[in-house]
Amino acid sequence: AQTVTQSQPEMSVQEAETVTLSCTYDTSESDYYLFWYKQPPSRQMILVIRQEAYKQQNATENRFSVNFQKAAKSFSLKISDSQLGDAAMYFCAYRRHSGGGADGLTFGKGTHLIIQP
Amino acid sequence: NAGVTQTPKFRILKIGQSMTLQCTQDMNHNYMYWYRQDPGMGLKLIYYSVGAGITDKGEVPNGYNVSRSTTEDFPLRLELAAPSQTSVYFCASSYQGPPLDTQYFGPGTRLTVL
Repeated sequence: AQTVTQSQPEMSVQEAETVTLSCTYDTSESDYYLFWYKQPPSRQMILVIRQEAYKQQNATENRFSVNFQKAAKSFSLKISDSQLGDAAMYFCAYRRHSGGGADGLTFGKGTHLIIQP
Repeated sequence: NAGVTQTPKFRILKIGQSMTLQCTQDMNHNYMYWYRQDPGMGLKLIYYSVGAGITDKGEVPNGYNVSRSTTEDFPLRLELAAPSQTSVYFCASSYQGPPLDTQYFGPGTRLTVL
């Protein structure tokens, strides 16, 4: 079974600075997809960024980028120019490529990101 | 376009009671999912559906049932509620199936079983 580990229960960063959230995963699959979701106090899950494992290039979405290290099974999220609205729980998630059915996402336990004004 | 809506937002049940959590999406998505999120944990898949009339179990289906009679609705039924079912429940939907699907989540239902 796949597992996703987020080793940082909480991170704090000053507004406008850069922060990196860590994620490692364990899988025997070669094709899979990785995601970062944001969960603000409203509880709604919001997709931040997605990475296909077959792509060597790291995904970027505006101030959000990832460092995907397939051999190390590492998938960190970098947030540049942190803003107060970035404060939330961040979940790393995995989904395998193969297999029947819809196969839900496998989530880590989350990292609580605090933005200091 | 409301996206994914869930009702109720909060609910307290007594042990042994039953209830249905409602989920509706207006994006014409074929794929729908139910997750639960326990305190301090990530989400775990309960059930999913790939289209009207088709459902299947996820990682933690015991104590729950689902149905999918229409594309829009995917209700989750709790029979004989137990304290272990105290959790926040999220419904999600996606247009495509795996692996490229982007799942859109509802706001969640916080359920407490006493």
